[in-house]
Amino acid sequence: EDQVTQSPEALRLQEGESSSLNCSYTVSGLRGLFWYRQDPGKGPEFLFTLYSAGEEKEKERLKATLTKKESFLHITAPKPEDSATYLCAVQAANDYKLSFGAGTTVTVRA
Amino acid sequence: DTAVSQTPKYLVTQMGNDKSIKCEQNLGHDTMYWYKQDSKKFLKIMFSYNNKELIINETVPNRFSPKSPDKAHLNLHINSLELGDSAVYFCASSQALGAQPQHFGDGTRLSIL
Repeated sequence: EDQVTQSPEALRLQEGESSSLNCSYTVSGLRGLFWYRQDPGKGPEFLFTLYSAGEEKEKERLKATLTKKESFLHITAPKPEDSATYLCAVQAANDYKLSFGAGTTVTVRA
Repeated sequence: DTAVSQTPKYLVTQMGNDKSIKCEQNLGHDTMYWYKQDSKKFLKIMFSYNNKELIINETVPNRFSPKSPDKAHLNLHINSLELGDSAVYFCASSQALGAQPQHFGDGTRLSIL
């Protein structure tokens, strides 16, 4: 069965203090790895899809990278508005469902 | 203009009742999903429909029955509600099956008294 483990569970940052979130996964053939952002009381908001090892994608202060076993979400010079729970999910090559990790809750203090 | 909308946003009811949650998407997508997010914030897939055909049916009690009247709508009916059904239920849609981004609604918080 597909497994997705995110670390740390929670991350408290000072504004401007860059950091990385980790998503380790086990899947029999990866169709895609997804990053989402979820704000309290809202549904997950799509950020990135990564398809193969070595791929990188960027959006504003966020950069996602992928290896064969894990993905990192780098937050560069975060601002308070980057505070949210970041979710990682994988889709296996022989399946259509997304398997989600438990998320990393990021709090950025001004 | 909301892309994926769910109603109601909150649902408070008693054990044993039957309730429905409605979902509509205006993105023109072919595929829709229902997820359950428990108190530990884990999102788990329940069902998926592609062009009104059931594609994913995870290990969910048969008290839960999805219905897709057309590609833009996917409703969830729950019979004989139990305490363990308390959770946030999210509807999502994607353009097609495969590694397509899924767009989520804002959830329906179901509380069983």
